[in-house]
Amino acid sequence: GAGVSQSPSNKVTEKGKDVELRCDPISGHTALYWYRQSLGQGLEFLIYFQGNSAPDKSGLPSDRFSAERTGGSVSTLTIQRTQQEDSAVYLCASTGQGAGDTQYFGPGTRLTVL
Amino acid sequence: SQQGEEDPQALSIQEGENATMNCSYKTSINNLQWYRQNSGRGLVHLILIRSNEREKHSGRLRVTLDTSKKSSSLLITASRAADTASYFCASASGGSYIPTFGRGTSLIVHP
Repeated sequence: GAGVSQSPSNKVTEKGKDVELRCDPISGHTALYWYRQSLGQGLEFLIYFQGNSAPDKSGLPSDRFSAERTGGSVSTLTIQRTQQEDSAVYLCASTGQGAGDTQYFGPGTRLTVL
Repeated sequence: SQQGEEDPQALSIQEGENATMNCSYKTSINNLQWYRQNSGRGLVHLILIRSNEREKHSGRLRVTLDTSKKSSSLLITASRAADTASYFCASASGGSYIPTFGRGTSLIVHP
């Protein structure tokens, strides 16, 4: 595709339920990032994938959060037992080479936990 | 803590005026990037300036970098209502592969 896509665009869930957010990066991009953005705030780094290397999970806020990237392409961010404070926009970005290169962002998934 | 912090947090100007936003960072960087975000959705890359560059232009955008002060500025000349958005700086320090973003400057351009 022409750009990074994310699905769903909006997700409303009840507290305690699990959610899965999907990111399709630009074809051929080896690096993929997940960020979280709360209302009116900056981007909070969550996790980074680079090729076949072990992901950098240092930004994940709790063990309820996990992510995987299958086949070096599509990535799924999973939040288990969602809490109201998980409500935010979840953004995915991919880059062609890694550190310091232009990040191409998807439109984000707006998650609302009731 | 944030690597980059934008200033001001909010800026309101009239169409045709120039808008200047500043970004400060804490540690040495390889490059610094500016992004634009509309309506809390995906960010769009505007411009990248490398640590050995002092100024860069792209259309109505001018970015400067002062590594001695660890700061950068984004100037939008002859602003338009369509420039209304949030603007973020992002930088990665040393060997880090994770650029960190500031909280952004919210720009409103009144027609």
